[in-house]
Amino acid sequence: GIQVEQSPPDLILQEGANSTLRCNFSDSVNNLQWFHQNPWGQLINLFYIPSGTKQNGRLSATTVATERYSLLYISSSQTTDSGVYFCAVVGKGARGSTLGRLYFGRGTQLTVWP
Amino acid sequence: DVKVTQSSRYLVKRTGEKVFLECVQDMDHENMFWYRQDPGLGLRLIYFSYDVKMKEKGDIPEGYSVSREKKERFSLILESASTNQTSMYLCASRSSGSAGELFFGEGSRLTVL
Repeated sequence: GIQVEQSPPDLILQEGANSTLRCNFSDSVNNLQWFHQNPWGQLINLFYIPSGTKQNGRLSATTVATERYSLLYISSSQTTDSGVYFCAVVGKGARGSTLGRLYFGRGTQLTVWP
Repeated sequence: DVKVTQSSRYLVKRTGEKVFLECVQDMDHENMFWYRQDPGLGLRLIYFSYDVKMKEKGDIPEGYSVSREKKERFSLILESASTNQTSMYLCASRSSGSAGELFFGEGSRLTVL
């Protein structure tokens, strides 16, 4: 399967700071998503972004498919941004991609202090 | 909005019990998935299903089975629960093919005593 690496593994910020989370993947992809896992364990969809740039409020994401990475930007961070951020991809061509399987990174644990 | 509903948020079971975790989605998705999540190990795929009565093993299928009798419902079964199956279980669904967004349920936290 595809290897997905996220960095940094841990990030600690003061409220109001900006941050960039990175996701590298080992093969061409048809699908890339960013999720935020809240303290109660639920995974919330942030972006569906196989290529290009999207913005949603203080969050934005860019995927450069040809270079096999995606970036998640968080501006003016708030304590409610704390949690784990996951990147997940579906590869092109492999049987797993036809069946819709996503491969997840290990996540970035973000802690925002007031 | 897509809704993926898991039957129980918290369960406590005893070793050897049969455990059913139910998942229902309301968007007519073909693909459904069961993951487990443990500290330091990330999300690991147990089983997935790409159609009614069809299933594929994921990375850690041992000790689990699944059932998909109707398109909207995907059940995870622990035939004889063990303490090492204490975990957070997450169900997800998406449309067929390689595109399409994946949506998760709220998760079921299972403790096996």
